[in-house]
Amino acid sequence: GQNIDQPTEMTATEGAIVQINCTYQTSGFNGLFWYQQHAGEAPTFLSYNVLDGLEEKGRFSSFLSRSKGYSYLLLKELQMKDSASYLCAVKHRGSTLGRLYFGRGTQLTVWP
Amino acid sequence: DAGITQSPRYKITETGRQVTLMCHQTWSHSYMFWYRQDLGHGLRLIYYSAAADITDKGEVPDGYVVSRSKTENFPLTLESATRSQTSVYFCATADSKINTDTQYFGPGTRLTVL
Repeated sequence: GQNIDQPTEMTATEGAIVQINCTYQTSGFNGLFWYQQHAGEAPTFLSYNVLDGLEEKGRFSSFLSRSKGYSYLLLKELQMKDSASYLCAVKHRGSTLGRLYFGRGTQLTVWP
Repeated sequence: DAGITQSPRYKITETGRQVTLMCHQTWSHSYMFWYRQDLGHGLRLIYYSAAADITDKGEVPDGYVVSRSKTENFPLTLESATRSQTSVYFCATADSKINTDTQYFGPGTRLTVL
């Protein structure tokens, strides 16, 4: 299996910036995904990184360092609707059928 | 465009009964997956499928059976439900023609086994 670690919970204030970290250990890394999941709903795709660096998409950015086995999701100008669980998932080079390995998720609470 | 649907959305059953959860997609994606999500465990893969008639086990396949006779459907059957199978079940698809293998999730089925 894959070893994927994320903090269990985080809190932040509306309008602030928050960084959610994800570390992974895999012998054949081939891409990292971030998903957002609101309570009682399905996970929805946020971002995909396969090369080192920062990918920006509106208020959300995702960073990857393959040499460090590290990624983060950066959320700017936080809004109440950003309160959700954020899931990190890794694709392994040797995996078949597009299989992903998910972390346990980080529950983010945004306070007014 | 319905995308990916799951039925039923909620199900209560009793220990020992057989239950089938349905997953249907309109995208013609090759890959389909079944996950269960429990507090403290995150998403765990039960079974997956590359195409019609091709399935394989994931991390937690015991007690579950799948089939895929048509590309658009991927039913998950609990042959004899147990309380430990109380969970939220998500179906997902991915397009094999796109290299990223991004997975798209259905709305989920909340199953309670009494």
